Amino acid sequence: ILNVEQSPQSLHVQEGDSTNFTCSFPSSNFYALHWYRWETAKSPEALFVMTLNGDEKKKGRISATLNTKEGYSYLYIKGSQPEDSATYLCASGGNLIFGKGTKLSVKP
Amino acid sequence: GAVVSQHPSRVICKSGTSVKIECRSLDFQATTMFWYRQFPKQSLMLMATSNEGSKATYEQGVEKDKFLINHASLTLSTLTVTSAHPEDSSFYICSARYPVAENTEAFFGQGTRLTVV
Repeated sequence: ILNVEQSPQSLHVQEGDSTNFTCSFPSSNFYALHWYRWETAKSPEALFVMTLNGDEKKKGRISATLNTKEGYSYLYIKGSQPEDSATYLCASGGNLIFGKGTKLSVKP
Repeated sequence: GAVVSQHPSRVICKSGTSVKIECRSLDFQATTMFWYRQFPKQSLMLMATSNEGSKATYEQGVEKDKFLINHASLTLSTLTVTSAHPEDSSFYICSARYPVAENTEAFFGQGTRLTVV
């Protein structure tokens, strides 16, 4: 059974801080690694879908890296803003097995 | 991006009754949809993959007679929780991949909070 782990479980930062969190996944039979942002009372929204080892993707102040050989991905947020507060989920596998998420709270 | 609509967003039902949850792709055809369940502080757990025109594929440990899935058209999948009990109370959410391929992003419905009393 595919096991996707995320850390930390929750994170509290001040506005303007940069932060990062980790997603680890089994490196064998890798398909793709997905990152989603899930705000309260909304649907999860895709941030990145990454497939190649060494991939780096960026969307505004958010970026992600992927290491498929060792089975981890990092998500970075530069200069956190209160509107970045959300749960960040990663998922791997053909049928998208999700981690528990990292809940980010950004205080103004 | 593509839009997936899920209904209802909240439902309270009595123990022993059945509840149907609908998941629609509004602006694309979804040959495959995915149903997840989330318990408090847990991951989104994949329950089943819904395939248009054929039987759903259930994950290990998910009772197919308990959670009936019907995907009768390219834009609608339904999950029916039959003879619901309090332990079925949970958050259920559907998704579909667009474009239809393994490495594309998933678009999610809004989720359904089911409470069985």
